[in-house]
Order: sequence, then C-alpha cells, then structure tokens
Amino acid sequence: GQQLNQSPQSMFIQEGEDVSMNCTSSSIFNTWLWYKQEPGEGPVLLIALYKAGELTSNGRLTAQFGITRKDSFLNISASIPSDVGIYFCAGQPPGNNNDMRFGAGTRLTVKP
Amino acid sequence: SQTIHQWPATLVQPVGSPLSLECTVEGTSNPNLYWYRQAAGRGLQLLFYSVGIGQISSEVPQNLSASRPQDRQFILSSKKLLLSDSGFYLCAWSTQGSQPQHFGDGTRLSIL
Repeated sequence: GQQLNQSPQSMFIQEGEDVSMNCTSSSIFNTWLWYKQEPGEGPVLLIALYKAGELTSNGRLTAQFGITRKDSFLNISASIPSDVGIYFCAGQPPGNNNDMRFGAGTRLTVKP
Repeated sequence: SQTIHQWPATLVQPVGSPLSLECTVEGTSNPNLYWYRQAAGRGLQLLFYSVGIGQISSEVPQNLSASRPQDRQFILSSKKLLLSDSGFYLCAWSTQGSQPQHFGDGTRLSIL
C-alpha cells in the first residue's frame, strides 16, 4: 500500500525560528492533511488540502499540496513554545475515501 | 458543535482478558467512524471503519473486532488480549469518507 515518508523525524529549534517539514510518497494522494498531537491526546487537524498545488495558511502555519500529488510540506513561522508536539502528515489515496495513511511524525521541540 | 468521547483514558489488562473500548460522537448524524492504533513513536494505523450502523470494514487482520450498535457509538473489542495489543487506541469521525477525520483523546492500553 501507499506509504508516507515524513521528515525530519525530530527538530530542536529556538523560539522565533521558522520550521519546515515534509511528506513524500511514491504514489499519488487525493487529499493531504496535517495534524498536531500533544502528549496523551489525539491528533488535532491543522490544515486540509484537496487540490494539487493548493497552498493554505492557518495563522503561522502554511501547507502545500504538491503538484505531483505525491508530496506536501508544512511550514511554521516564528515558532513559539506552544508549538511543541508531534506533527503528522496524512493522505487519502485514490480508491477508498475511508483509507487514510499517516507519516511517522515529526517531533518538534522549541527552546525558549 | 461536534464532540467525540473515548473511554477509558487508560487501561491495564492481563494477557488473555477481554477488551471493550467505547467511542461516542455527539452533535452529528450518520458519521463515518474509525478506530486507529498508534504504537509508541509511530504514526497511526487504521484498524476498522464504519459508514453506518452494523457496517464494519476491517483494514488489518488481527485479534480485535469492532461493532457499531448505534449511529454514534463505535466499540472496539477483543475476546483474549495479546501482549502485542498494547498501544494507544484512537477513535475518529468524519462527515463522510473524503472529509478530514477528527480524533478523540485516545485510550492507552497496557497488557501485562
């Protein structure tokens, strides 16, 4: 099945820095989603992308659906301590709208 | 607004014991419902999904089963737990398959 490769695995940054993470796949996806998960909680949806080339922002977060439909990136600008958490990309492959594949996550640490 | 509840939040069970995890959604009708398992430091793996009462689709052969006795209730069960069933179990809902999924806060299951 389609696998998502998410990188980097972890990031340690200083407060105020910008962050970039991405997901790639060898197969196409119809939808790309980005979630944030904090300890002991379920993932929370940050951004949903539905069209190739789509660029969407949510506050300091910006995500893009790659033109090839095989990748997506998430940028966080001017990071703050509450950005700490694990960020997951997720994609819905063609053929089954109920199938969602997840990357392994990017663990973000922000030093004040 | 829609809310999703999972319980219990944590559970410690002996090997060979039965399991019942419950998930309910409020504020929406006929949602699609999902069960995921998250291993430590990993992404989410889809276990089951349901598009309606009594309709269950299994994504991965395993020791677990799911049931949907009511429109907004989704139950994850096992007759005899294995050590490998340990993990963080997440329930999610969406309005339909092509729409983003929204997660509960999960149940952390430890098998001794």
